[in-house]
Amino acid sequence: AQTVTQSQPEMSVQEAETVTLSCTYDTSESNYYLFWYKQPPSRQMILVIRQEAYKQQNATENRFSVNFQKAAKSFSLKISDSQLGDTAMYFCAFTYSQGAQKLVFGQGTRLTINP
Amino acid sequence: NAGVMQNPRHLVRRRGQEARLRCSPMKGHSHVYWYRQLPEEGLKFMVYLQKENIIDESGMPKERFSAEFPKEGPSILRIQQVVRGDSAAYFCASSPQSDSGNTIYFGEGSWLTVV
Repeated sequence: AQTVTQSQPEMSVQEAETVTLSCTYDTSESNYYLFWYKQPPSRQMILVIRQEAYKQQNATENRFSVNFQKAAKSFSLKISDSQLGDTAMYFCAFTYSQGAQKLVFGQGTRLTINP
Repeated sequence: NAGVMQNPRHLVRRRGQEARLRCSPMKGHSHVYWYRQLPEEGLKFMVYLQKENIIDESGMPKERFSAEFPKEGPSILRIQQVVRGDSAAYFCASSPQSDSGNTIYFGEGSWLTVV
C-alpha cells in the first residue's frame, strides 16, 4: 500500500523568507504522480504543483518549486519569497498512473507566515 | 468555466438523521471522486464514480454510506443514520474523461456537523 508522510506538523517563518516543507512516500510503483495541495483557512483544496515521476526535471510554478528525489522517495516543496497569503495547511499527495486517480494524502503541515 | 460545485456548504444533522451531499463536476468532466477530511487530518479517499457506475468504493464505510452519479444530475453522497463520528468535511473532485495527467480538481467542500 502507498503511504505519504509529512514529518513537520507545523512550521513558521517570517514574510519574504524561504521555507521548505518535507514529504516522503512509499510505493512499489514505478510510474506515479506527486502533488502539493494548499488548504487556506477557507478550507478549499488548491493545487499548488504537480510532479510526474518519469520526469527528472523538478516542477516549478512561480515561487513554488519541488525537490524530487525518486531514489530517496522524497518530494519537498520550496516556497520562495513567502507571503502572508501562503499561510495554510499544505498536503503532499500521491497517485499511481494506472490507478483511478485515487490520491493518498499526507497528514499535512500547518505553515504560518508572520509579518 | 465553473469549478466543481458542492452543496450544501454546511449541513447540521441530528444523530439518526440522513445527510445528502451533492456535487456537480466541472463542465466536461465525467469522473467524480469523494474524499472525507476528519478534523486535523488529511483527506481520505472514499469513492470514485463515472456516470451510472461505481468504479472504486474501497474507501467507503461498509454501512450507512452510499454514493451515486446518475446519468442526469449531480453526484450524491448519502449518509444514513448519522453519528457524531460522521462530522467531517466532505470534498468532491472531478476529472475529465481523457487523460489529464491525473490531476483532479476539488470543490470547496461540504461541512457536516452531527449534533
